[in-house]
Amino acid sequence: GAVVSQHPSWVICKSGTSVKIECRSLDFQATTMFWYRQFPKQSLMLMATSNEGSKATYEQGVEKDKFLINHASLTLSTLTVTSAHPEDSSFYICSANLQGQPQHFGDGTRLSIL
Amino acid sequence: SQQGEEDPQALSIQEGENATMNCSYKTSINNLQWYRQNSGRGLVHLILIRSNEREKHSGRLRVTLDTSKKSSSLLITASRAADTASYFCATDPKGYGGATNKLIFGTGTLLAVQP
Repeated sequence: GAVVSQHPSWVICKSGTSVKIECRSLDFQATTMFWYRQFPKQSLMLMATSNEGSKATYEQGVEKDKFLINHASLTLSTLTVTSAHPEDSSFYICSANLQGQPQHFGDGTRLSIL
Repeated sequence: SQQGEEDPQALSIQEGENATMNCSYKTSINNLQWYRQNSGRGLVHLILIRSNEREKHSGRLRVTLDTSKKSSSLLITASRAADTASYFCATDPKGYGGATNKLIFGTGTLLAVQP
């Protein structure tokens, strides 16, 4: 149980393109969803916390207009990287949880901007 | 940065040996969790230890927590080649209202178990 699906798993696109990543909790309704960014051989850095029906809470230094988060339902959150540039290339991971339970992670999306 | 520190950064052992990883953190916590990440994949939750617990076991895993030193250790006994992965500690800091509301990850330990 407690499966989180992230799609797509890998994206390559040209500079200036906007890219949308989906995160779905498949067998539970998530209280909260989280978006992380991970550079090669480094740890996960929390970008934002997302609750269904409300605006996401962004961590310091994360541009809200650059990384748009929509959390339309208890099972779906999306992250859109707008006008992506090579420096946005990274591994993006989402997680979801029920209050009081451990976070369950998606398999991540590798984003490469040419 | 609130990020925790882990050591060693990398650890290479033979199958059957034990592996110990350490984690230090900076703030008061509700709980501390350990996760495993295979290369290029998401994270898998291994074990959670609450701030009022000192030791916890799960299968071949043993976790200790010393809140006075703000440190934790993860011991994997009788390691297997399939244990090869990166291991991260993550803290749920106090002040964010409840367990697992927000996680601060450590820097990670890359474990390689040689067959």
